[in-house]
Amino acid sequence: GNSVTQMEGPVTLSEEAFLTINCTYTATGYPSLFWYVQYPGEGLQLLLKATKADDKGSNKGFEATYRKETTSFHLEKGSVQVSDSAVYFCALSDRSDYKLSFGAGTTVTVRA
Amino acid sequence: KAGVTQTPRYLIKTRGQQVTLSCSPISGHRSVSWYQQTPGQGLQFLFEYFSETQRNKGNFPGRFSGRQFSNSRSEMNVSTLELGDSALYLCASSLVPQETQYFGPGTRLLVL
Repeated sequence: GNSVTQMEGPVTLSEEAFLTINCTYTATGYPSLFWYVQYPGEGLQLLLKATKADDKGSNKGFEATYRKETTSFHLEKGSVQVSDSAVYFCALSDRSDYKLSFGAGTTVTVRA
Repeated sequence: KAGVTQTPRYLIKTRGQQVTLSCSPISGHRSVSWYQQTPGQGLQFLFEYFSETQRNKGNFPGRFSGRQFSNSRSEMNVSTLELGDSALYLCASSLVPQETQYFGPGTRLLVL
């Protein structure tokens, strides 16, 4: 079956530090890949996505590249802000049924 | 365009009761999916509806059911509530199943 593995948190950073969250996946075929973010007390917000190999998704300074050869979709941001404190979820959507399979989530705290 | 709305936002029930949660998708979206989020199990897929038909179902007992109406609004029902049903229930909508899913704020259910 499909599965997503994320680096375990929590991750604590200082403002303007570099953030990377590792994500690897197992899937049959060629899934679409997503990063969602969840702020305290809220639902999930789509952060970025990539639908085929070598695609780069980007949004709000965050980037992730779909690497088929390493089955990875690592999230990066060059300079984090306190407002980036949240839980980040990597997810995949299988093209056979399109349901989302999520990683466990990584809690990120950015200190001023 | 308004996002996905879910009602109620918070709910407290006792064991053995039943509960109905409601989800209104983004205007024009015809696919609605439901997910359960708990600290122990993370985000798990419940079911998906498209054009009033359940297309896909996750690995949950028959106490969990849902439906979709002709206006694409969806409800999920949990009967004979158990303590372990306490969770955040998230609804997501997409134009059609293969398109990106957008999440609502969730309904937080507490079973006492």
